[in-house]
Amino acid sequence: DQQVKQNSPSLSVQEGRISILNCDYTNSMFDYFLWYKKYPAEGPTFLISISSIKDKNEDGRFTVFLNKSAKHLSLHIVPSQPGDSAVYFCAASVGSGGSNYKLTFGKGTLLTVNP
Amino acid sequence: NAGVMQNPRHLVRRRGQEARLRCSPMKGHSHVYWYRQLPEEGLKFMVYLQKENIIDESGMPKERFSAEFPKEGPSILRIQQVVRGDSAAYFCASSLSSGGAVIQYFGAGTRLSVL
Repeated sequence: DQQVKQNSPSLSVQEGRISILNCDYTNSMFDYFLWYKKYPAEGPTFLISISSIKDKNEDGRFTVFLNKSAKHLSLHIVPSQPGDSAVYFCAASVGSGGSNYKLTFGKGTLLTVNP
Repeated sequence: NAGVMQNPRHLVRRRGQEARLRCSPMKGHSHVYWYRQLPEEGLKFMVYLQKENIIDESGMPKERFSAEFPKEGPSILRIQQVVRGDSAAYFCASSLSSGGAVIQYFGAGTRLSVL
């Protein structure tokens, strides 16, 4: 039972354009969401997060949108750069619950930004 | 600026041998988590430890796997009598606290190959 789903295994975008990575979740108890970026042979690197009390969080070129009613979040990268090419993982936790430390990850989306 | 340090980066074992994976958290962090990533999958939570205590091992197989985080020294994930299905990337993460919205910082991982 996959509680966090990233349905697009890969995405290819031209440099300078917008990249939109999507994530759906099924557990309505999730109230904290994170995006991690991972390069080959490295560990996941934290990018940006959002709490369920918000519907948008922005940090430089990265913006995360949360639609609680649809149980959907998305990561927008504008403008996309070749260095953004990596696997992006969506993760969720029950932030206000007893096991808020337990991150549940999606399978990841491989983003390729072409020069 | 030492991040989460894991060693070894690569570990090859024959079936039936023992594997020991080590993790030193970021400076000042006393919360350690272990995750496993099977091929083509997302990271899956295994265990959460604080110094000298296992807080939650609900994601760890009941047999052959154990984890510790002693008062001095790194956290150790130990896999006894390894089988081919144990081949995976094992990631360690650490955090400053465990309450509320927690950001976990990951190491580069140990890639275990069982022959």
